[in-house]
Amino acid sequence: QKEVEQNSGPLSVPEGAIASLNCTYSDRGSQSFFWYRQYSGKSPELIMFIYSNGDKEDGRFTAQLNKASQYVSLLIRDSQPSDSATYLCAVRGPYNFNKFYFGSGTKLNVKP
Amino acid sequence: DVKVTQSSRYLVKRTGEKVFLECVQDMDHENMFWYRQDPGLGLRLIYFSYDVKMKEKGDIPEGYSVSREKKERFSLILESASTNQTSMYLCASSFSQGAGNTEAFFGQGTRLTVV
Repeated sequence: QKEVEQNSGPLSVPEGAIASLNCTYSDRGSQSFFWYRQYSGKSPELIMFIYSNGDKEDGRFTAQLNKASQYVSLLIRDSQPSDSATYLCAVRGPYNFNKFYFGSGTKLNVKP
Repeated sequence: DVKVTQSSRYLVKRTGEKVFLECVQDMDHENMFWYRQDPGLGLRLIYFSYDVKMKEKGDIPEGYSVSREKKERFSLILESASTNQTSMYLCASSFSQGAGNTEAFFGQGTRLTVV
């Protein structure tokens, strides 16, 4: 079983809609959770991190963490064509807190 | 701004060559990582280092070695390049857990083609 699982997509949403990206992780001891955006041919860049259960909002982005269900999500409100990219979920730890485990990413297409 | 710099953006090497990929970070991060990224397989950890001269194998270390002689520099070595090592290689760095911001910062990537 992979440590971090994501639906590979592609997820297609119309411009202005809410995009919902999901991620599950296998170990309950995981403590830090990250969402990265990666444009084609570019390296990943951090969008948000979350450590505590609940929601964390930053502009159009909201990260949601449910440790009981081992589930992390990223909501993108008012999606724009420039949001079209692959979104990577990452978990830090749990066995080694210095290691990051990445999902394989979900490709998002926002259609004008 | 945190900067992670990889020595080459594109490389073309021949089968059997010894290949060096260099990575330098300027934020005094303890941890440094080498990943490779292939379509459909996501980011796979090759090696990481949590201190100078310290290293730990990742998920796919076979055919690779690493060197960290200075805190800011982490090198990935392909001992004898093979065509199945054609990939995008990404270097990253981070602080240790609990020390400041804990996310990983990535370099721009090196697209290596082995012919």
